[in-house]
Amino acid sequence: ETGVTQTPRHLVMGMTNKKSLKCEQHLGHNAMYWYKQSAKKPLELMFVYNFKEQTENNSVPSRFSPECPNSSHLFLHLHTLQPEDSALYLCASDKGEDTEAFFGQGTRLTVV
Amino acid sequence: DAKTTQPPSMDCAEGRAANLPCNHSTISGNEYVYWYRQIHSQGPQYIIHGLKNNETNEMASLIITEDRKSSTLILPHATLRDTAVYYCIVRVASGGSNYKLTFGKGTLLTVNP
Repeated sequence: ETGVTQTPRHLVMGMTNKKSLKCEQHLGHNAMYWYKQSAKKPLELMFVYNFKEQTENNSVPSRFSPECPNSSHLFLHLHTLQPEDSALYLCASDKGEDTEAFFGQGTRLTVV
Repeated sequence: DAKTTQPPSMDCAEGRAANLPCNHSTISGNEYVYWYRQIHSQGPQYIIHGLKNNETNEMASLIITEDRKSSTLILPHATLRDTAVYYCIVRVASGGSNYKLTFGKGTLLTVNP
């Protein structure tokens, strides 16, 4: 248990569906991150939020839409995904300074 | 792009020390060396980090060379549960666009009985 909770743990969705991934932390962290990990590939940073403001978008397709309503919650809204978007999606948070980041257990997404 | 180089895989016998090397020859003065590990299909787990002094915690030791161009993570008594991919990452001290954690391919450590 890292203090970062992701839901759901597993998700299967069709290409025309709309779904959302949720990440929650009550560690008092200011920064939150979304990562994508495809099979046998390194983690890829998708989005960074600092104090609820998006500070980085690594050329992520618009079918992925992040939302950070407050410093404790981060969402990733998904719509019209492709099968190649199937991956493990990981959320992380930290204080935005010299401390470790904590990761959630991830959401295993399968697009059919 | 990741700024570190690690061997793709290593083996270690259970109960022995595991020494995982990492090269970071372009590290800047304000960048820390972080180590994380990822057990299959789980979220990465923080292990240790340091700037220039050697560090030790309950999980591992981190040895950083004097020129800071390389480091070694030491698991003193490896167990089967230490089998994982180990990532060495350089990261600026705080804030800014380069503060993010950028993962490379890491080293797959396999601990054998």
